[in-house]
This record gives sequence, structure tokens and C-alpha cells, in this order.
Amino acid sequence: GENVEQHPSTLSVQEGDSAVIKCTYSDSASNYFPWYKQELGKGPQLIIDIRSNVGEKKDQRIAVTLNKTAKHFSLHITETQPEDSAVYFCAPISSGSARQLTFGSGTQLTVLP
Amino acid sequence: EPEVTQTPSHQVTQMGQEVILRCVPISNHLYFYWYRQILGQKVEFLVSFYNNEISEKSEIFDDQFSVERPDGSNFTLKIRSTKLEDSAMYFCASSNSGLPAQYFGPGTRLTVL
Repeated sequence: GENVEQHPSTLSVQEGDSAVIKCTYSDSASNYFPWYKQELGKGPQLIIDIRSNVGEKKDQRIAVTLNKTAKHFSLHITETQPEDSAVYFCAPISSGSARQLTFGSGTQLTVLP
Repeated sequence: EPEVTQTPSHQVTQMGQEVILRCVPISNHLYFYWYRQILGQKVEFLVSFYNNEISEKSEIFDDQFSVERPDGSNFTLKIRSTKLEDSAMYFCASSNSGLPAQYFGPGTRLTVL
């Protein structure tokens, strides 16, 4: 099955700075790469996703970049705000599965005011 | 904006008892999922359901688990004889037929005593 690793496990940034979280996956045929944000006591919230035929996607302060050759994709958050503080998960879908998300271990992002 | 809803938010049960967790997926979605998250760990896939049958399941989803879509709006997860290690957050998710994006509910916290 898909092996997913996420780095760093914790990240603290000053408000207004950028944050980058990286996700490495093992299945070279994976074709869908989402990022989820989970606030305390809530379910994972899809914040951005990218398909394998696209290298980068942006949505306001959030972007995802994909490097299929190196088998990793990254979440970029610019101009961070305290409300960005949460746990972020990558969850690619491997080629062997129709729709099973394989979650990474999560990154606790803390934005310091 | 349409949301996935789950009930109850918290369920406490005695070991060996049966529990049913309920979900109302987004109304025009056709794929339904259950995931679980043990405290402090990553989210794990349990099962996916499409066209009134299971399409994928993980090793966790053994004979103690079952899923059902009893009517046009609800999707349920039943655990027949709960064990202590079943204590976790259980998340329901749904997705549209053409797109892989999965949208999660707020979760049910199951505590087995």
C-alpha cells in the first residue's frame, strides 16, 4: 500500500510569515493529492487538492505544488494568521485504490501573534 | 454550503455492546466512507461504499463492522461487539461521482469502557 510521510511534525511561525509542509509518498502512480486542515475537536476540512497532471495550484493564501518525479507534494501558506493554527494532513490516493485516502501523520502548525 | 452531519457527537458504551454511528452525507454525493482516528494518531480508512455495496475496505474493517444505507439520506456504521481498542473518533465522508474530493463530517467520539 501507499506509504506517506509528512514533515515537519510541528511548525511554529510568526504571524505574517510563510509556512511550508512537505508530503512524500511511495506510489509513483498516485494521481490525487489533497491537503486537509483539522482544528481541535473537528473533522478534517479539505483546503486544497491537485491532480497528477498539474504542477501547482493556488487558492488565495494557500498553494500546493507537486513534484511527481521526486514523489512529493507541498502545502504553502503565505501571510499566516493565528486562525491558520491547526493540524494539517496530506492524504494522497494511490493508483491501486479507487478512492481510499492514505493520511500522513500530520503537522501541527502554530502561528504566533 | 452543504455539509456532512454525524450523530451522536459522543457515544459511550460498555465493552461487548453494539453501537450504530449515523451519518447524513451531502445530498448529491454517491460515494460514502468511514474513517477513524485514535487519539493522537493519523486518520485511517475503514471502508468505502458505492451503489449500495462496499467498494473497498481496510484490514481494520473486520467482521465486527458493517455499513448500511438504510434509506436515501442516512449512512450507518455498526460495530457489533465493541472492544476497548475501538475507542476513537469516527468520521464519515462523502464525495461526488466524478471527483475524488472527500468531505468529512465533524465526527463521533466513541468511548468504550
